[in-house]
Amino acid sequence: AQSVTQLGSHVSVSEGALVLLRCNYSSSVPPYLFWYVQYPNQGLQLLLKYTTGATLVKGINGFEAEFKKSETSFHLTKPSAHMSDAAEYFCAVSDDRGSTLGRLYFGRGTQLTVWP
Amino acid sequence: DSGVTQTPKHLITATGQRVTLRCSPRSGDLSVYWYQQSLDQGLQFLIQYYNGEERAKGNILERFSAQQFPDLHSELNLSSLELGDSALYFCASSVKGAADTQYFGPGTRLTVL
Repeated sequence: AQSVTQLGSHVSVSEGALVLLRCNYSSSVPPYLFWYVQYPNQGLQLLLKYTTGATLVKGINGFEAEFKKSETSFHLTKPSAHMSDAAEYFCAVSDDRGSTLGRLYFGRGTQLTVWP
Repeated sequence: DSGVTQTPKHLITATGQRVTLRCSPRSGDLSVYWYQQSLDQGLQFLIQYYNGEERAKGNILERFSAQQFPDLHSELNLSSLELGDSALYFCASSVKGAADTQYFGPGTRLTVL
């Protein structure tokens, strides 16, 4: 069964500093990988996803993530944090290959705080 | 705005009661997913429907059921409610399956007293 581990339930950075949110997964097949962001009292919004092709994926708001199969990781980075990045971030995995199957399995989330 | 709508936004009810949560997917999306978010369990996949048919089940209790109607909207029915069912319930939709982006609604916050 697939599982997702997000190291660090809380991460704090200063504005302008590098953001690094860690995600490791276990899957029996090469998975599809996703990062979602959740702002208070809102639903989840997709930041980026990896399905096939280039392992370095760029997303919205300056975020990017790299799929490293050998490390079973999909860490999320942003070179320079902004106050508006403060939110909860979720890593998710799906190893469904049927074209109409789409179960997502989520990590426990990382709360990002950005200090001025 | 993701294009996925959920009603109601908030629901307060008592133990033992039954409630229905409603979801309207984005135009053109055939798959609807239900997820539960709680402090204890985090975000958990409950069930997926594709074009009216149940496609996959996750950690969904037997007291819970869902369906997708011909117009593709979906309802999640929760019965014999317990205090532990208090959570945020999200609906998401996508065109088809795993490779497609799932767009999440704003959620329904259920409080069981």
